[in-house]
Amino acid sequence: AQTVTQSQPEMSVQEAETVTLSCTYDTSESDYYLFWYKQPPSRQMILVIRQEAYKQQNATENRFSVNFQKAAKSFSLKISDSQLGDAAMYFCAYQGGSEKLVFGKGTKLTVNP
Amino acid sequence: NAGVMQNPRHLVRRRGQEARLRCSPMKGHSHVYWYRQLPEEGLKFMVYLQKENIIDESGMPKERFSAEFPKEGPSILRIQQVVRGDSAAYFCASSPSYGYTFGSGTRLTVV
Repeated sequence: AQTVTQSQPEMSVQEAETVTLSCTYDTSESDYYLFWYKQPPSRQMILVIRQEAYKQQNATENRFSVNFQKAAKSFSLKISDSQLGDAAMYFCAYQGGSEKLVFGKGTKLTVNP
Repeated sequence: NAGVMQNPRHLVRRRGQEARLRCSPMKGHSHVYWYRQLPEEGLKFMVYLQKENIIDESGMPKERFSAEFPKEGPSILRIQQVVRGDSAAYFCASSPSYGYTFGSGTRLTVV
């Protein structure tokens, strides 16, 4: 079975600085998708960024980018120019052939003014 | 185009009662997924449905839990004879293919 591990329960960053959240996963599949979701206190799950495993190029969405290392099964999220509104729980997720998402336990990000 | 709609947003039930959680997928989405989030945890898959069919229920507890997605109307997650351990946030998501849109969840509290 696939597993997703987020080794940082909590992280903090100064406003305007850069922070990287770690995620590793385990799978025997070759085709899959990886996601980062943001969950603010409102509880809404917001898709931040998505990466297809067959694409070598790292996905980027404005201030959010990933470092996808397929051989190492690593998928980290970099947030540049951090803003107060970035404070939230961040979940890494895997989706393979079964279509269901497998989530990590999350990283709580605090942004300090 | 409204997002995935879940109701109620909060639900309080006494032990032994039934809980019914509703989910209306985004227009045009035919796949519905239910996830449960316990405190301090990520979301855990429960069940995947298409219209009138359960595709994957590998994450559903064997007893007391059931789900349906009828031809007309919302998807329903039903929990019979609730216990304190059922207290959690329940999320519904819909998808036409890879990449989900989540609803805002229903927080179930069992007292």
